[in-house]
Amino acid sequence: DTGVSQNPRHKITKRGQNVTFRCDPISEHNRLYWYRQTLGQGPEFLTYFQNEAQLEKSRLLSDRFSAERPKGSFSTLEIQRTEQGDSAMYLCASSLAGGPGELFFGEGSRLTVL
Amino acid sequence: GENVEQHPSTLSVQEGDSAVIKCTYSDSASNYFPWYKQELGKRPQLIIDIRSNVGEKKDQRIAVTLNKTAKHFSLHITETQPEDSAVYFCAGTSSSYGKLTFGQGTILTVHP
Repeated sequence: DTGVSQNPRHKITKRGQNVTFRCDPISEHNRLYWYRQTLGQGPEFLTYFQNEAQLEKSRLLSDRFSAERPKGSFSTLEIQRTEQGDSAMYLCASSLAGGPGELFFGEGSRLTVL
Repeated sequence: GENVEQHPSTLSVQEGDSAVIKCTYSDSASNYFPWYKQELGKRPQLIIDIRSNVGEKKDQRIAVTLNKTAKHFSLHITETQPEDSAVYFCAGTSSSYGKLTFGQGTILTVHP
């Protein structure tokens, strides 16, 4: 499967713990996005990478959230000191450079904070 | 920033009927409007998109129309089938790198 892959698919953690999610985009895609989706809502933009550079961060991304994309390949999203309000599906997507076009989403990483 | 509103939130139709979902956007600079389908527990997948230089696009049973003056666009599904049942999201962007703002989603149920 050469699509976008994310892991872990599910993570249950206790409040206050740190969690890290990984995203492997489609290999030739240099654009990578993180979105968050809660039940009954559309995906909300969190952050965007062009190759290894993080070019935009949403106000939703508090200082407890950090994302990286070393070497412009895979990306990680870390949440420190998790809160119950962080419970959501975290979606990664990638796309080709050029004008706006199709985002290819991964299956997501579902976070449950107890 | 862009704001996208989507209606209705739920839509129930009989197999073979047509379904229409409508979205409005706020940013007049928006130039790309995709529609994504998300089945339960699955990833969102693009089903059709339209750019601001065209008013309508069709792909078999699905079509999208765009009214730039009114800042709204719609998804039309004809001859609906039970496998069309899913959540549909509209989105828009004025970003050069394609950052999408999504609507709230429409749960479409097609009854056999």
